[in-house]
Amino acid sequence: AQKITQTQPGMFVQEKEAVTLDCTYDTSDPSYGLFWYKQPSSGEMIFLIYQGSYDQQNATEGRYSLNFQKARKSANLVISASQLGDSAMYFCAMREGGTGGFKTIFGAGTRLFVKA
Amino acid sequence: EADIYQTPRYLVIGTGKKITLECSQTMGHDKMYWYQQDPGMELHLIHYSYGVNSTEKGDLSSESTVSRIRTEHFPLTLESARPSHTSQYLCASSDDRGLNYGYTFGSGTRLTVV
Repeated sequence: AQKITQTQPGMFVQEKEAVTLDCTYDTSDPSYGLFWYKQPSSGEMIFLIYQGSYDQQNATEGRYSLNFQKARKSANLVISASQLGDSAMYFCAMREGGTGGFKTIFGAGTRLFVKA
Repeated sequence: EADIYQTPRYLVIGTGKKITLECSQTMGHDKMYWYQQDPGMELHLIHYSYGVNSTEKGDLSSESTVSRIRTEHFPLTLESARPSHTSQYLCASSDDRGLNYGYTFGSGTRLTVV
């Protein structure tokens, strides 16, 4: 069964520094996608970055990069040059390509606090 | 400007009332989803649809029901609200281009049943 684990309930980072949010996953499907979403206090979910299971290179989107280690089944999010507006909940998610169809499962989330 | 709309944004309602949470998207996406999320917790899939007249229950059992009569509209109904239904409900949609596209989420409905 597919599963997402985020072991950091909360993280603190100083403004302008980089921070890594951990995510491990479990699946038996060779085809899957990994996602990170940001949820500010207002409640909406914002899609940040995607990594495919067959992608050879780590995904990057602006200040966001995904450290994909397939053998370890980890997909950590790295935020460079943190900004106060980065304070939010961050969710790691996975979608399987086979029997899972287009359903996405989410981890428990990590709350990031950026300090001025 | 949002491409997926949820109404109401906040709802406080008494036990036993029937409620419908609205979700509409303007992107022509075939796939739509409802997630339930308690504050600061993970999202749980409660319903999904792969197109018109297609609805399925998600991984989390829910007393709610959904319908998909039009591509753009995916309402969720609770026939008799209870305090245990207090939660945030998030609607999302995705297209058919494959795995590598994230969901587009609505702003959510925060439901409180008193």
